[in-house]
Amino acid sequence: EDQVTQSPEALRLQEGESSSLNCSYTVSGLRGLFWYRQDPGKGPEFLFTLYSAGEEKEKERLKATLTKKESFLHITAPKPEDSATYLCAVQARYGGSQGNLIFGKGTKLSVKP
Amino acid sequence: GAGVSQSPSNKVTEKGKDVELRCDPISGHTALYWYRQSLGQGLEFLIYFQGNSAPDKSGLPSDRFSAERTGGSVSTLTIQRTQQEDSAVYLCASSLLWENYGYTFGSGTRLTVV
Repeated sequence: EDQVTQSPEALRLQEGESSSLNCSYTVSGLRGLFWYRQDPGKGPEFLFTLYSAGEEKEKERLKATLTKKESFLHITAPKPEDSATYLCAVQARYGGSQGNLIFGKGTKLSVKP
Repeated sequence: GAGVSQSPSNKVTEKGKDVELRCDPISGHTALYWYRQSLGQGLEFLIYFQGNSAPDKSGLPSDRFSAERTGGSVSTLTIQRTQQEDSAVYLCASSLLWENYGYTFGSGTRLTVV
């Protein structure tokens, strides 16, 4: 069964304190792994897609990496405005779940000034 | 439109009533997805459309749930005889192709069944 597990569930950081969020996945052939950011009362906002192991993508203070079993979202010198829930999702290449994204439960990040 | 629009943004309904949730995707996006997000849970896939057809309805929780899409554009998700466990945020997303990446989500409809 295709599955996504994110850890930790919640993370509190001081402004400037770098850290990483983890996304472990099992999928019947990975078509793509996605990272989204979700603010309260809003829909998820697309950040990155990673397609193959070894791939990395960066956007401002965020960097996403991918291995065959997990992905990391590294946050460098975070600011309070980075506070949000970060969601990881996978899209399968094979099997009944093709076409839709399978999401983890997310990591709620709080960055204190 | 500029983004995915969902209406209403909030809906409170009595148990047993029917509700209709609407999604207006980005113009030209052929794929449309419905997800449900309950408190403390991840996004749960409900159904997706490619054009007006729904190749995958596997996520619909029961036969009380149905969805349609007309003209390759607007979609409605209908929940009949609502139950308290149907309370959640219902999110719609669209993308250019069914296998495209980076869905654009709407802000959701918060449904509360009392």
